[in-house]
Amino acid sequence: EVQLVESGGGLVHPGGSLRLSCVASGFAFSSYWMNWVRQSPGKGLEWVANIKRDGSDKDYVDSVKGRFTISRDNAKNSLYLQMNSLRAEDTAVYYCASGELDFDFWGQGTLVTVSS
Amino acid sequence: DIQMTQSPSSVSASVGDRVNITCRASQGISRWLAWYQQKPGKAPKLLIYAASALQSGVPSRFSGSGSVTDFTLTISSLQPEDFATYYCQQANSFPYTFGQGTKLEIK
Repeated sequence: EVQLVESGGGLVHPGGSLRLSCVASGFAFSSYWMNWVRQSPGKGLEWVANIKRDGSDKDYVDSVKGRFTISRDNAKNSLYLQMNSLRAEDTAVYYCASGELDFDFWGQGTLVTVSS
Repeated sequence: DIQMTQSPSSVSASVGDRVNITCRASQGISRWLAWYQQKPGKAPKLLIYAASALQSGVPSRFSGSGSVTDFTLTISSLQPEDFATYYCQQANSFPYTFGQGTKLEIK
């Protein structure tokens, strides 16, 4: 059974940092592009970043460029999102999702709240 | 960025009805479009990819059509479990973008 399990969310002050993790099981993690997608409370979906199978290529939405860094460790079947200089507008549920063009498997999400 | 606009934003329908949800891209995206279903408190679920390809395990009452800028998700005969919010997503160019969602409610 495919599973993606996110962790690392929580309450952080504006300007603070947080590192999200996503552990994969049940599929060949190293063969898949991986993504972070977020959803603000009561709002729609926003693609945040993705990373190629071997980690050699990454892309980000403009609003997080220079603040967020996506990475992966294929030996640990894990995906990460380092989030720095957090803002109130980064408050959202963050999902990890597999796939290059569309997202076929999703985790349950982890909530990040940026508030003073 | 490519803007994705869905219509309607919400729709009420009954079990057994046929429902169409449309998605328009602000520029041509060929057939790089996916559709997702999301229920409250749950992660989205992929239904359709490449505009019309049915994801494994998704019931055949779901179908997708369209190309370039105009796309449609059709549910041929609504079932109780289909009441949810539906999103389109373009994968033609970065940043990937989603439509604002269409909430399908029970009439």
